Amino acid sequence: DAMVIQNPRYQVTQFGKPVTLSCSQTLNHNVMYWYQQKSSQAPKLLFHYYDKDFNNEADTPDNFQSRRPNTSFCFLDIRSPGLGDAAMYLCATSLAGGLNEQFFGPGTRLTVL
Amino acid sequence: AQSVTQLDSQVPVFEEAPVELRCNYSSSVSVYLFWYVQYPNQGLQLLLKYLSGSTLVKGINGFEAEFNKSQTSFHLRKPSVHISDTAEYFCAVTPQGFQKLVFGTGTRLLVSP
Repeated sequence: DAMVIQNPRYQVTQFGKPVTLSCSQTLNHNVMYWYQQKSSQAPKLLFHYYDKDFNNEADTPDNFQSRRPNTSFCFLDIRSPGLGDAAMYLCATSLAGGLNEQFFGPGTRLTVL
Repeated sequence: AQSVTQLDSQVPVFEEAPVELRCNYSSSVSVYLFWYVQYPNQGLQLLLKYLSGSTLVKGINGFEAEFNKSQTSFHLRKPSVHISDTAEYFCAVTPQGFQKLVFGTGTRLLVSP
């Protein structure tokens, strides 16, 4: 089945220690998104890639970076995680020019100690 | 800009009772509307979507929603809920032709025996 995969599902890191979260997709969608979802809140868009074009949200901290080496993979790098970055991180994909439906992965829950 | 309001943060209901989760939106342009469900520690799963055409939309798991343009609402309904419907439900909108979803703050549906 075509899907969005996120690894790992659970990630524990230390305060200030860089961490990378991974997302892959078999849908061949050209748009990929990263959302941050804190406890009991709505998902908040951090950035998205339209093919190789990176689109950062205005209020996304510089501490968050992303890479998309190819169509299938997208990475979220947190350069110096703080306690406030503990959250669920959701990856999603969509087909540009389609009907805007986004397909979500299961998420990675990040704990910062 | 678009915004979504989910007035009910939590809706408790007994099993086999009907339920309605409310969603109102604001937008100066035409939008697509979505309902997503999120089970604990999982990603978002699309329940249903309104793109155009019939204002009554049927989705998975027996859910349906009705688009009301004059009231700018997209309420989600189910005639008889199950324990397994306990989850967080998010309403979302996206301007037609754009890629960004705007989420409401979510409604937690709690189904008890």
